[in-house]
Amino acid sequence: DTAVSQTPKYLVTQMGNDKSIKCEQNLGHDTMYWYKQDSKKFLKIMFSYNNKELIINETVPNRFSPKSPDKAHLNLHINSLELGDSAVYFCASRTGNSPLHFGNGTRLTVT
Amino acid sequence: GQQLNQSPQSMFIQEGEDVSMNCTSSSIFNTWLWYKQDPGEGPVLLIALYKAGELTSNGRLTAQFGITRKDSFLNISASIPSDVGIYFCAGPGSGGSNYKLTFGKGTLLTVNP
Repeated sequence: DTAVSQTPKYLVTQMGNDKSIKCEQNLGHDTMYWYKQDSKKFLKIMFSYNNKELIINETVPNRFSPKSPDKAHLNLHINSLELGDSAVYFCASRTGNSPLHFGNGTRLTVT
Repeated sequence: GQQLNQSPQSMFIQEGEDVSMNCTSSSIFNTWLWYKQDPGEGPVLLIALYKAGELTSNGRLTAQFGITRKDSFLNISASIPSDVGIYFCAGPGSGGSNYKLTFGKGTLLTVNP
């Protein structure tokens, strides 16, 4: 199936831990994104990579570090997790001006 | 920064009713997108609009790109229970950046059978 796939779907961890979320797209898109959806369902852009180059870096704590090993993958590593990091994180991709295609999200719960 | 105001925040309707929601922006857009998010899933594109005045349909859904280029409307006719979800408008970021999509805060639709 052609899609944006992210793993894991659920992630429960304790404060202070370091965790990673992975994303892969097989749509042939050249731009990938991470969005954060908070408890009020607001979708806020975090990062974007175009052909492995960081092009958008919103005001996000530097505990969050994206990495794009190739244009089909964009991972998100989070250090020293805090309670406020609990949210659903969505990966998305597109090419040019085409609409975004989203993954199904990773629900992160920090206890 | 880019502001997108989406309303209403939530709607509770009876099956069979028509629904209307809208978005306004603080600046001119050259693209308007409408997405729907089902529980536990990512947003899925419903309709894309690329020209001022454009009216586009997708089944029972109709969306319009306002002629001022600062607003857009989404209408759902004859609602059914599976229309339940969160509807988001989206448009390009500040400066018309093609890389950054800004989303409205969503309209939560509940349909009572």
